[in-house]
Amino acid sequence: KQEVTQIPAALSVPEGENLVLNCSFTDSAIYNLQWFRQDPGKGLTSLLLIQSSQREQTSGRLNASLDKSSGRSTLYIAASQPGDSATYLCALPPQGGSEKLVFGKGTKLTVNP
Amino acid sequence: SQTIHQWPATLVQPVGSPLSLECTVEGTSNPNLYWYRQAAGRGLQLLFYSVGIGQISSEVPQNLSASRPQDRQFILSSKKLLLSDSGFYLCAWSMAGGIYNEQFFGPGTRLTVL
Repeated sequence: KQEVTQIPAALSVPEGENLVLNCSFTDSAIYNLQWFRQDPGKGLTSLLLIQSSQREQTSGRLNASLDKSSGRSTLYIAASQPGDSATYLCALPPQGGSEKLVFGKGTKLTVNP
Repeated sequence: SQTIHQWPATLVQPVGSPLSLECTVEGTSNPNLYWYRQAAGRGLQLLFYSVGIGQISSEVPQNLSASRPQDRQFILSSKKLLLSDSGFYLCAWSMAGGIYNEQFFGPGTRLTVL
């Protein structure tokens, strides 16, 4: 059974700091991993999708990496801004190319001005 | 471009009353559709998913049911709500047949059962 863990559960940083969010998973036989952002009371916004053949994906100040062998993914946020404050979730299939996703519980990020 | 809609945005219902939440997707055909619930302090839980009209898979035994009467319409229902049905309900879609399964979420419905 795929289990997804995100540590830390909450993180508070000053504006401008570079930071790393972590995601670990137990079953590495996956085709992809997806990072989402959720603002309070809102739906999820897809940030990045990393295919199993890729090691990283970049979008603006965001960079996500995937290491299947160690069962880890990281989301790197450069030069953090108060607008980055949100909960960040990682999700991946329970196995292989399943249509379903299993989610971590998220990391709540607060960027202080 | 594709968009996903959910309504209502907020709902307060008494215990024992029926429920109907609707989700529609625009700009794509034959999507995979999903219903998730996010309860306070808990992660997202997949409730149902559908790969086509009339095809529903249930992930968790519960008081809820789902239907897909049209290609891009997904409905979540209950005949009698329980207090434990309170939560934030999210609908999502993904491209059918793709192994990479990038999912896109709607704005959600906040359900409070009193």
